[in-house]
Amino acid sequence: DAGVIQSPRHEVTEMGQEVTLRCKPISGHNSLFWYRQTMMRGLELLIYFNNNVPIDDSGMPEDRFSAKMPNASFSTLKIQPSEPRDSAVYFCASSLRGNEQFFGPGTRLTVL
Amino acid sequence: AQKVTQVQTEISVVEKEDVTLDCVYETRDTTYYLFWYKQPPSGELVFLIRRNSFDEQNEISGRYSWNFQKSTSSFNFTITASQVVDSAVYFCARQGSSNTGKLIFGQGTTLQVKP
Repeated sequence: DAGVIQSPRHEVTEMGQEVTLRCKPISGHNSLFWYRQTMMRGLELLIYFNNNVPIDDSGMPEDRFSAKMPNASFSTLKIQPSEPRDSAVYFCASSLRGNEQFFGPGTRLTVL
Repeated sequence: AQKVTQVQTEISVVEKEDVTLDCVYETRDTTYYLFWYKQPPSGELVFLIRRNSFDEQNEISGRYSWNFQKSTSSFNFTITASQVVDSAVYFCARQGSSNTGKLIFGQGTTLQVKP
């Protein structure tokens, strides 16, 4: 069975550009999480969805960040406009009814 | 903030040594869940264990074992007879009683196992 799928795996962009990260959760999982990992702040939750509905977005840094989950098998995290301080590894994770979260391989974002 | 603290930032051992990674957590919840994840050099996060706060029995899985002490709010992880492939960053995490929400991660412990 496929795990959590994220795309792209690497993204290099220039400051001011729009960036869209994509995630496909494990089939049947009903919770989806977006995390960011940086050296300074470690792993931190940005937002999570239960049954496609955003539950807690308190970790979203600012209005430049937005996330959607139009259906149970797809989610996006968008940054517009991007800034160099957004450079990080972004992980998507999914779980079934609050059990252990399984993580995707991550997207390494570099904003120049 | 109800944080998770991993006592060691870095540990270096020689292969076949036993090593323990310490984790201390804060929580006001009566029910909560504790986790350990492994992040090898390739970067992915690998789930290792999930433990309910009501279950204080120690757990062993091969060379891995976990010691949960609710009285001291600790959830320590021991690798017996370490191997080079165990080299990774290990994260301890806590999840609140809602059981549907976010993981609060510790800052990670980098383990280097030398041949």
